Amino acid sequence: GNSVTQMEGPVTLSEEAFLTINCTYTATGYPSLFWYVQYPGEGLQLLLKATKADDKGSNKGFEATYRKETTSFHLEKGSVQVSDSAVYFCALKSSGGSNYKLTFGKGTLLTVNP
Amino acid sequence: DADVTQTPRNRITKTGKRIMLECSQTKGHDRMYWYRQDPGLGLRLIYYSFDVKDINKGEISDGYSVSRQAQAKFSLSLESAIPNQTALYFCATSDRDTAYEQYFGPGTRLTVT
Repeated sequence: GNSVTQMEGPVTLSEEAFLTINCTYTATGYPSLFWYVQYPGEGLQLLLKATKADDKGSNKGFEATYRKETTSFHLEKGSVQVSDSAVYFCALKSSGGSNYKLTFGKGTLLTVNP
Repeated sequence: DADVTQTPRNRITKTGKRIMLECSQTKGHDRMYWYRQDPGLGLRLIYYSFDVKDINKGEISDGYSVSRQAQAKFSLSLESAIPNQTALYFCATSDRDTAYEQYFGPGTRLTVT
């Protein structure tokens, strides 16, 4: 079955540091890949997506590239801010069958200190 | 106003009690979902509904039931709550054509003592 593995947190950085959160996946076919973000006290919201190999998703200074050869979708940001403190979830949607189901990783807590 | 609302936001209940969590949406989406979030386990799908007459079990439906009263309303019930149902519960919605983009409510924190 489908699965998503992301680096365990928590991750603590200083403001303006470089961020990488690793995500690898197992799926058949050609899944679509996503990063969701959960700010404190809120529900999840879609941060970025990539629907085919070599696509780069980007939003709010965050980027992730769909690497089929390494089955990875690592999240990066060049200079984090305190407001980026949140839990980040990697997720995938399989390419075949019902298109409703998202498989989520366990989440990575990021704390950015001033 | 929020597009996806959940009530209550917090609830403490005792083992064996029946409890209902409610979700309403104003996005006009066909699809609605219930997830639970546990520390270190991520999100797990409990039930999902493609429309009012189409309700399906997710990964962890045992001990839960749902009702889709209208396109905009989707309720989750715990018939006889037990302590391991203590978790953060999220409702989400999506459009049929972009089902991967799910819009989440703020969550209900449920504690079963």
